Amino acid sequence: SAVISQKPSRDICQRGTSLTIQCQVDSQVTMMFWYRQQPGQSLTLIATANQGSEATYESGFVIDKFPISRPNLTFSTLTVSNMSPEDSSIYLCSVAGLAGEGTGELFFGEGSRLTVL
Amino acid sequence: QKEVEQNSGPLSVPEGAIASLNCTYSDRVSQSFFWYRQYSGKSPELIMSIYSNGDKEDGRFTAQLNKASQYVSLLIRDSQPSDSATYLCAVTSDYKLSFGAGTTVTVRA
Repeated sequence: SAVISQKPSRDICQRGTSLTIQCQVDSQVTMMFWYRQQPGQSLTLIATANQGSEATYESGFVIDKFPISRPNLTFSTLTVSNMSPEDSSIYLCSVAGLAGEGTGELFFGEGSRLTVL
Repeated sequence: QKEVEQNSGPLSVPEGAIASLNCTYSDRVSQSFFWYRQYSGKSPELIMSIYSNGDKEDGRFTAQLNKASQYVSLLIRDSQPSDSATYLCAVTSDYKLSFGAGTTVTVRA
């Protein structure tokens, strides 16, 4: 599997500010996704990061709140905009389509734990 | 996202026993099924994948899939304290993974 690096690993943010999370993969991948894991809950897909085009968002998530970039096959960013305490969560980058991997297997970065005060 | 349901837990088992985890899913056309292990404060780690009906064994882990019943399970044999974690069932639909809420397993020494 690939090495998936996320940063920051954690941050404490003020209400109303924005934070950008970076995800770097050490090999080219077909698909990259962003998930959110709120305290004590499972993972919810925010969006699929599409290389060279706009991300595809899941129901309940919008581009103005969670703008995503994916300039190439190894890198993506997720911005959490105009944060409120409800955005306190772990944000996870995940990848699929690694060469030699099975169908649909997802691998995760270490996650970025955001706390909004 | 499609629904994935897991037995709620928490599940407490003595060391050396079998832990049995269950998962059902709603999307009949799902083709790929996974179990992830997540230690507290860590990201999910893939431990099993299964694509066809029947059993798949990997060390102390056995995954079982029944597509007709839309059911997938995970057995952990000879449970060890290091198996204490939350186990997430995940199902692929349209190349996206949907996750269950997870079952927390505690192995008592």
